[in-house]
Amino acid sequence: EVRLVESGGDLVRPGGSLRLSCAASGFTFTNHAMHWLRQSPGKGLEWLSGIADSLHGKFYADFVKGRFTISRDNSGNTLHLDMTDLRAEDTAIYYCARDAQDTGMIGYFFDFWGQGTPVTVSS
Amino acid sequence: DIRLTQSPSTLSASEGDSVTITCRASRSVRDWLAWYQQKPGQSPKVLIHRTSTLWTGVPPRFSGSGSGTEFTLTISSLQPDDFATYYCLQYYSYSPYTFGQGTKVQIK
Repeated sequence: EVRLVESGGDLVRPGGSLRLSCAASGFTFTNHAMHWLRQSPGKGLEWLSGIADSLHGKFYADFVKGRFTISRDNSGNTLHLDMTDLRAEDTAIYYCARDAQDTGMIGYFFDFWGQGTPVTVSS
Repeated sequence: DIRLTQSPSTLSASEGDSVTITCRASRSVRDWLAWYQQKPGQSPKVLIHRTSTLWTGVPPRFSGSGSGTEFTLTISSLQPDDFATYYCLQYYSYSPYTFGQGTKVQIK
């Protein structure tokens, strides 16, 4: 059974930093690209970033470039999102999701999602 | 970025009704479109990918069609479990992926 479990969400002050993690199980982690997405009442669902296997790179939405960094630990089957310079508009539920194709490359739909971890940016 | 516009934003229907949700893209996404269902407090779940291919375990009352810039999700004979919010996703361009704003299907 594919399982994705996010953690790390918290209340953080504007300008602060946070690291989110996503523990993956039930599939061969290295065979799939992985993604971070978020959902807030004001902006709906937004894709933030994706990471392919070790050969095919990282991709970011323009509005997080330079502030968020995606990474993966293939030995520990874990996906991370390092977020800096957090703003009120980053308040959302953050989800990790698996890319549906099993080639390790990014670019397909998201077939499994975690349950989400909440991030609140407020003073 | 490819913009996806869903209509309607809210849809009121009764159990047993057939409903259709439309997703229009600002430019062609060929057939690289998926549909998701989301219930309150849950993460989105894929229903359909590649415009019309049902995901594993999704009942056949769900169907998708379209190509290019106009797509539809149809639910024939609404069941109580189908009252939820539905989103379209384009994955023709993954930089960035984009979603529609959602359509809430509520009980009339």
